[in-house]
Amino acid sequence: GENVEQHPSTLSVQEGDSAVIKCTYSDSASNYFPWYKQELGKRPQLIIDIRSNVGEKKDQRIAVTLNKTAKHFSLHITETQPEDSAVYFCAASRGTGNQFYFGTGTSLTVIP
Amino acid sequence: GAVVSQHPSWVICKSGTSVKIECRSLDFQATTMFWYRQFPKQSLMLMATSNEGSKATYEQGVEKDKFLINHASLTLSTLTVTSAHPEDSSFYICSATEFGAYGYTFGSGTRLTVV
Repeated sequence: GENVEQHPSTLSVQEGDSAVIKCTYSDSASNYFPWYKQELGKRPQLIIDIRSNVGEKKDQRIAVTLNKTAKHFSLHITETQPEDSAVYFCAASRGTGNQFYFGTGTSLTVIP
Repeated sequence: GAVVSQHPSWVICKSGTSVKIECRSLDFQATTMFWYRQFPKQSLMLMATSNEGSKATYEQGVEKDKFLINHASLTLSTLTVTSAHPEDSSFYICSATEFGAYGYTFGSGTRLTVV
């Protein structure tokens, strides 16, 4: 089965700085890679996703890059704000109808 | 957008009793629903995959007789924790997807505490 590794497990940045979270996956058949943000006690919320036919996707301050050859993808958050503080999970999937395999999560703290 | 409703949001039960958690897709037909368990400060662990009208597929190590999953309609899946014990205390969360869609929508989660 798929194995998704995520680093770092914790990350602290100063407000305004950038944050980068990296994930690797093992299943070459995985073709969909979403990122979720989860605040304490709440449901995970999709913040951005990427399919394997593109290498990069950006949405305002958030971007995701994918390297299919190396089997890794990264989340980039620029101009971080305190409200970005949360746990972020990456996931990999073989696509429609298939289960997600989640990374272990990164606890991001943005220091005002 | 797609909305998934999960109830109850929290429940406290006595050891040995059973608890049912409901997951409903409100504005789409969920052909597949997933049930996850999350311990504090840990990732989401997939428990089972349920497809409407068929038996759930359980992940290795998950007791199917303890965690009963029913997906009788395209908008409702239920997870019943039978004979709950304190070690079953956890955050349970469902997710649902529409046929052909890539993304999943998560329910709001259920905090189960067994005393």
